[in-house]
Amino acid sequence: SQKIEQNSEALNIQEGKTATLTCNYTNYSPAYLQWYRQDPGRGPVFLLLIRENEKEKRKERLKVTFDTTLKQSLFHITASQPADSATYLCALVDSGYALNFGKGTSLLVTP
Amino acid sequence: DGGITQSPKYLFRKEGQNVTLSCEQNLNHDAMYWYRQDPGQGLRLIYYSQIVNDFQKGDIAEGYSVSREKKESFPLTVTSAQKNPTAFYLCASGTRKGDTQYFGPGTRLTVL
Repeated sequence: SQKIEQNSEALNIQEGKTATLTCNYTNYSPAYLQWYRQDPGRGPVFLLLIRENEKEKRKERLKVTFDTTLKQSLFHITASQPADSATYLCALVDSGYALNFGKGTSLLVTP
Repeated sequence: DGGITQSPKYLFRKEGQNVTLSCEQNLNHDAMYWYRQDPGQGLRLIYYSQIVNDFQKGDIAEGYSVSREKKESFPLTVTSAQKNPTAFYLCASGTRKGDTQYFGPGTRLTVL
């Protein structure tokens, strides 16, 4: 069966450091992968999309990598700030073109 | 303002009652979706629609119903047949199935 796995344990880091979140998947052959941010009690917000032929994508302090051999995406936030504290979700399209979401990893950035 | 809206933000329902959650978008998106999120869980797809007057069941459609009479609107009815309806419900829209999705603020439903 198709699976998307994100670290269930919360990630706690100090302000200014780089946060790295992991998304692993099985039984998908995705053409692209997406990352979303969700704050408590709110809907997810789209951050970045990376295609299978792109190794890396950047947007301001965000960087996403996509390794289709390892079946893994890494999401980096450089120079992290307390305002970056949220849950981050990765999402993949399945064979039926539905978007499936991982359970997310909670990030806490402390001053 | 362009966007996707859901109402109400909080909803309380007695057991045995049907309740309808509203979702409206003015982004001119063809595709619309309903998800359910339980504490500590990911998003689970309830129903989706790619065009007006057409919709398909997602992974957990039992006890729910939808309609898509207008492009802008995709209401979700939680029926009394849904055994455990207390959850956070999220509506989303996108240009087409599988593409980037834009989410509403959510409706938190509590069954008393």
